[in-house]
Amino acid sequence: GAVVSQHPSWVICKSGTSVKIECRSLDFQATTMFWYRQFPKQSLMLMATSNEGSKATYEQGVEKDKFLINHASLTLSTLTVTSAHPEDSSFYICSARGWEASYNEQFFGPGTRLTVL
Amino acid sequence: SQKIEQNSEALNIQEGKTATLTCNYTNYSPAYLQWYRQDPGRGPVFLLLIRENEKEKRKERLKVTFDTTLKQSLFHITASQPADSATYLCALGGRGSTLGRLYFGRGTQLTVWP
Repeated sequence: GAVVSQHPSWVICKSGTSVKIECRSLDFQATTMFWYRQFPKQSLMLMATSNEGSKATYEQGVEKDKFLINHASLTLSTLTVTSAHPEDSSFYICSARGWEASYNEQFFGPGTRLTVL
Repeated sequence: SQKIEQNSEALNIQEGKTATLTCNYTNYSPAYLQWYRQDPGRGPVFLLLIRENEKEKRKERLKVTFDTTLKQSLFHITASQPADSATYLCALGGRGSTLGRLYFGRGTQLTVWP
């Protein structure tokens, strides 16, 4: 199957700083990328849907000014957590769909563990 | 909003037995339902998809059923092995303007002991 990578795999930052997480599709062009957040022993919560070249669509309750998403190319989407606080500490996972994807073809990245001190 | 419940947080079974995991949902009409495996600290790995007009799907030792009247899916692993130990997630798939979006349950942690 297609490969999706995330960078970094883990990051520790101080409260108040901003953190950028990258999601890349390595061997296909991703027209749509999705960002999820997962707290320990909780479900993956969809945060936003990102289509290449357009603004992201955020799920209800997700602050778009807090979680900035950019999908500037067909192989890269970024999630920036602005002014991070300890409650933003979580596991962030992206997934990607390609041009010819049937609706089931969605490939997940390995995740990024964010810890805010 | 949609609510997705997976039968139990943890399931322990002996090697060789069949593991049955349950996914119930409310307040939603998914176009399809998927099952994923997730290992600790890793992203989910796709296992099976079943569409709303399908009753059953099989793939090797895996079987999934889907009852849209009961709003329930059952996921079976036959001849279970210790390597099957992981957390299994069900996810509801959107339709129309929400096509591609997935809404996940909390998962069931399966442990298969020798």
